[in-house]
Amino acid sequence: GESVGLHLPTLSVQEGDNSIINCAYSNSASDYFIWYKQESGKGPQFIIDIRSNMDKRQGQRVTVLLNKTVKHLSLQIAATQPGDSAVYFCADNAGGTSYGKLTFGQGTILTVHP
Amino acid sequence: DAGVIQSPRHEVTEMGQEVTLRCKPISGHNSLFWYRQTMMRGLELLIYFNNNVPIDDSGMPEDRFSAKMPNASFSTLKIQPSEPRDSAVYFCASSLAGGARSPLHFGNGTRLTVT
Repeated sequence: GESVGLHLPTLSVQEGDNSIINCAYSNSASDYFIWYKQESGKGPQFIIDIRSNMDKRQGQRVTVLLNKTVKHLSLQIAATQPGDSAVYFCADNAGGTSYGKLTFGQGTILTVHP
Repeated sequence: DAGVIQSPRHEVTEMGQEVTLRCKPISGHNSLFWYRQTMMRGLELLIYFNNNVPIDDSGMPEDRFSAKMPNASFSTLKIQPSEPRDSAVYFCASSLAGGARSPLHFGNGTRLTVT
C-alpha cells in the first residue's frame, strides 16, 4: 500500500450500482494482496485476497483484479448496498514471506446512497 | 467462531501511567500481530509472533513499548510510561501461518487515550 495522508479518497455511489476501488502498491516483490473493510468502531474485516500468480479472483459480490505490470490492485463490488458503506483498505506483504506482516494503503471511504 | 478478542475496548489514562492491552487470538492460529491505527499514519505493524515467539519488533516505536505472548491463547502489549502521542487504536490480529495459510483476522481494537 501507499503511504498515509490525512485526506482519504472518497467514492460515492447509488444503491445497486457497481463500485470500483483502486489501490497502487510500491513493492514489486510483493506476492500477496488483500482487501479489508472497516466500519466505524470496528476492526478491519477480511473481504478477499489474491496471490501474485493470479490476476483475478472472485468472491460473493466482490472481485479483485491484480495488474502486476503497473502495480495496481482493484476491488469491484457488484450491486452495492448501503451496508457496504465503510472504509476499504488494500494491503500487501511488501515482498516478505509472512501473509500477516502487511503494509496498508491509506484507505478509501465508500458511501452508498439509498 | 469468537474471533480475536481484545480488552479493554476503551482506555483513558494520564501521561506517565502504565497501560496494558490484552488479546486472545482465534483458537488454532499460530501467528499474532499487534497493529496501531492513527489518522496521521494509518495502520502500522508494531510486532508479531509465530508460535509464541517474537519474530519482528521493528515497528515498536520505543523502549516504552513491550509485548509478550506467554501462551498460544494470550498476548499483552504494554506501554510504560504512556505519553499523549501514544493515543491511537491498537489492534490485535491473528492468522494461521505455514502451509495452510489463512488471511489475517483483526479484533475490534482498544481505543487508547492518554491525557
